[in-house]
Amino acid sequence: GDSVTQMEGPVTLSEEAFLTINCTYTATGYPSLFWYVQYPGEGLQLLLKATKADDKGSNKGFEATYRKETTSFHLEKGSVQVSDSAVYFCALSFGGSQGNLIFGKGTKLSVKP
Amino acid sequence: TAGITQAPTSQILAAGRSMTLRCTQDMRHNAMYWYRQDLGLGLRLIHYSNTAGTTGKGEVPDGYSVSRANTDDFPLTLASAVPSQTSVYFCASSDHRVTFFGQGTRLTVV
Repeated sequence: GDSVTQMEGPVTLSEEAFLTINCTYTATGYPSLFWYVQYPGEGLQLLLKATKADDKGSNKGFEATYRKETTSFHLEKGSVQVSDSAVYFCALSFGGSQGNLIFGKGTKLSVKP
Repeated sequence: TAGITQAPTSQILAAGRSMTLRCTQDMRHNAMYWYRQDLGLGLRLIHYSNTAGTTGKGEVPDGYSVSRANTDDFPLTLASAVPSQTSVYFCASSDHRVTFFGQGTRLTVV
């Protein structure tokens, strides 16, 4: 079945370090890909998305490129801040059912000053 | 802007009791969803509704029921709670471009 695999955490970085969180997917067809962020005590918020191969999603300094050849959607940020500490979820969905999401297990990021 | 409102925020429930988790959205989205979040498992879809009057089963529907009498409300009912239903429950709605999540309900079944 369709699934999302993301790197296990927790990930601990110093402020201004480079961030990569790996995400790969298995899907029958051509899904849309998402990164959601969950700050402590809150619900999930959409961070960025890409709907077709080679699309790059970007927001708040985060980027991810939809790589069909490697079935990947890795999240990157050049310089993390303490305020980026959160749990990050990679997810996919199909067609018109954008809310019917298949999530990875989440990666907890802690950024130290 | 309210967005999605869930109630209660948290609840401790005795095993065998029933409970309804409430979810209301003010964005007039047709599609709504219930997910549960468990440590190490991410979020899993329980039930969904593509439009008022229709519902469908997600990945983990057993022990839960939903109804969609109107566009705004999508309650989730546990008829007879069991400890394995201890989780954080998130309601979501979608306009098929972006999905919005509520703040969650933390449920503990003892």
